[in-house]
Amino acid sequence: GAVVSQHPSRVICKSGTSVKIECRSLDFQATTMFWYRQFPKQSLMLMATSNEGSKATYEQGVEKDKFLINHASLTLSTLTVTSAHPEDSSFYICSARDKGGGLAGGFIYEQYFGPGTRLTVT
Amino acid sequence: DQQVKQNSPSLSVQEGRISILNCDYTNSMFDYFLWYKKYPAEGPTFLISISSIKDKNEDGRFTVFLNKSAKHLSLHIVPSQPGDSAVYFCAASLTGGFKTIFGAGTRLFVKA
Repeated sequence: GAVVSQHPSRVICKSGTSVKIECRSLDFQATTMFWYRQFPKQSLMLMATSNEGSKATYEQGVEKDKFLINHASLTLSTLTVTSAHPEDSSFYICSARDKGGGLAGGFIYEQYFGPGTRLTVT
Repeated sequence: DQQVKQNSPSLSVQEGRISILNCDYTNSMFDYFLWYKKYPAEGPTFLISISSIKDKNEDGRFTVFLNKSAKHLSLHIVPSQPGDSAVYFCAASLTGGFKTIFGAGTRLFVKA
């Protein structure tokens, strides 16, 4: 269980075009999805938190007009890189949060990651 | 401000020996800790977790130890296998919290 898919797995686009990446939770409902970016040999950088039916919350330094996030349903979130430039080339990873475990008075949420999307802007 | 730190960028271990990956955190409010494993060009996969009410959690070859007073946790892999070679991310979160904070990762090399 707890499978997250991403599509496409790899995309090459020309500078100035827009690219949409889909993230789907296949066997659970995810009220919250996260979008990360990873540069070579670096950690996961959280870009934004996406809640179903509401606007995404962006991390400091992430341009919300450039990285458009839509969380249209409990199983689908999309990241659109608008007017892509070569510096946007990166590995983009989404994750979805599932309810699990439990402590008195609270719930522990574990994240399940998609396989990632390699974006190359030429 | 790095709330979760993995100070060793890489670790090399001989097959069959123990691998110990370390992680420190600064926020004493964190009460749930996770380890993820990541291969190149793939998303991270959940490995093992521990809540702050415990000091040890074991799952097969993987054991996570938590020292709350030192704000330190470690992941032990024994015996290490070449297939364990990957980047390991330590992460921390709060009960009911929204975000999970990740460390920078430690690249483990297990030599045959």
